[in-house]
Amino acid sequence: QQQVKQSPQSLIVQKGGISIINCAYENTAFDYFPWYQQFPGKGPALLIAIRPDVSEKKEGRFTISFNKSAKQFSLHIMDSQPGDSATYFCAVHGSSNTGKLIFGQGTTLQVKP
Amino acid sequence: ETGVTQSPTHLIKTRGQQVTLRCSSQSGHNTVSWYQQALGQGPQFIFQYYREEENGRGNFPPRFSGLQFPNYSSELNVNALELDDSALYLCASSFFWATSNEQFFGPGTRLTVL
Repeated sequence: QQQVKQSPQSLIVQKGGISIINCAYENTAFDYFPWYQQFPGKGPALLIAIRPDVSEKKEGRFTISFNKSAKQFSLHIMDSQPGDSATYFCAVHGSSNTGKLIFGQGTTLQVKP
Repeated sequence: ETGVTQSPTHLIKTRGQQVTLRCSSQSGHNTVSWYQQALGQGPQFIFQYYREEENGRGNFPPRFSGLQFPNYSSELNVNALELDDSALYLCASSFFWATSNEQFFGPGTRLTVL
C-alpha cells in the first residue's frame, strides 16, 4: 500500500529553469509535509516543509504548493542550478507523534549547465 | 551545535551474522528514529525511541531491535542478517514535543550483507 506517490521519477532541467516535483497522498490525517534533498552518499537534508493550514510556503528559490482538497503538494525550484542536482523526496507525517515519516519514491533531478 | 552522527560509515557482514549500528543525536534533541533506505528507494521507518523506550514501529520483523541511552544516543541491532538487509541505515533526531515535527538525518551507515 503506497501512501505517498511521487512524480516524476526523474527530471532534467536547464540551468535557470523551473523544476517541479509532485506528491499525492491518501490519508487526510497527515499534518506535516516536508521535502528532503539527498546527495549521493549522504543522508537526506530537510529542505522545506508545510502544514495543511497554509496553501503555499516559500523559502528562497524553493516553494511548496499545497492543495488539501486534492491531497497533493508540490515542490517548485526556481532558477534551478547545477548544484541542485540531487534526489528529492517528499514525505508525510501523521498526527500520532510516533515519528513515522512516510517517504515518496524519490525524484532524481539533473540540472544541465 | 553538533549534528547527527552515525558509525560506522560502512560495514560488510555475511548472512546470519548480527550487526550493531550507532547514532548520536543532535544537541537539544531527545528522540531518535531509524530508517532503512534500499538502493533507489525512499527511506522506510523502522522505529523511534523516546525516553529510552520504543515509541512506534514500522513493518520490520523483531530481529530489528534498538536501544536508546540516557544521553539520547541510540543503537540499531539486526540479528540473523539476510541479503535483503543490505541498505543505507539512517538515523534521524528530533525533539519529541516540538510542534514542527522536524527530523534531522545523519549521513547513514551503508550495510552490505554477503
